[in-house]
Amino acid sequence: QKEVEQNSGPLSVPEGAIASLNCTYSDRGSQSFFWYRQYSGKSPELIMFIYSNGDKEDGRFTAQLNKASQYVSLLIRDSQPSDSATYLCAVINTGGFKTIFGAGTRLFVKA
Amino acid sequence: KAGVTQTPRYLIKTRGQQVTLSCSPISGHRSVSWYQQTPGQGLQFLFEYFSETQRNKGNFPGRFSGRQFSNSRSEMNVSTLELGDSALYLCASSSGTSGAGDTQYFGPGTRLTVL
Repeated sequence: QKEVEQNSGPLSVPEGAIASLNCTYSDRGSQSFFWYRQYSGKSPELIMFIYSNGDKEDGRFTAQLNKASQYVSLLIRDSQPSDSATYLCAVINTGGFKTIFGAGTRLFVKA
Repeated sequence: KAGVTQTPRYLIKTRGQQVTLSCSPISGHRSVSWYQQTPGQGLQFLFEYFSETQRNKGNFPGRFSGRQFSNSRSEMNVSTLELGDSALYLCASSSGTSGAGDTQYFGPGTRLTVL
């Protein structure tokens, strides 16, 4: 079992729709969870992080964390073609000094 | 505040050669992590340095090594290059002091091509 798993996609949604990206992790002691966006040929950029169970909203983005289910998700409301990218889920392990990335989900937003 | 910088941005080497990549973290950040990114494997963790000490290491052969200087700048070295080492090498910096609460910020990467 991979430490951080994501559906590789591609996930295709129409412009204006909600895109839902999911991630599961295996280390039950993990405390910090991050979502990064990576455009083709570019380096990852941080979208948001979440530490506590529940939802965290930032503009059109909402991160959801369920530690009991070891599940974290990212919702993108009113998706735009400019949101088309690979989204990486990242988890800091129990020891605290290692960030583990999922393989990423490719998102396409159709105009 | 200036971001993470990496040099060089592009490198072309031949098999058997060695290469050194450099990373300057965000001012005030003391932790530097290195990743290898390939289309097939995604982001693979190489190692993490904090205050000149390697705190964590990924599952890469000994040909991959790194170090960190007192000003937090870091270098990674790959010796005896193989074709499979062709990848985007990313450096990420963070404060390194808050453990589970530490956010990483990535540099633009160095694209290494091994011929």
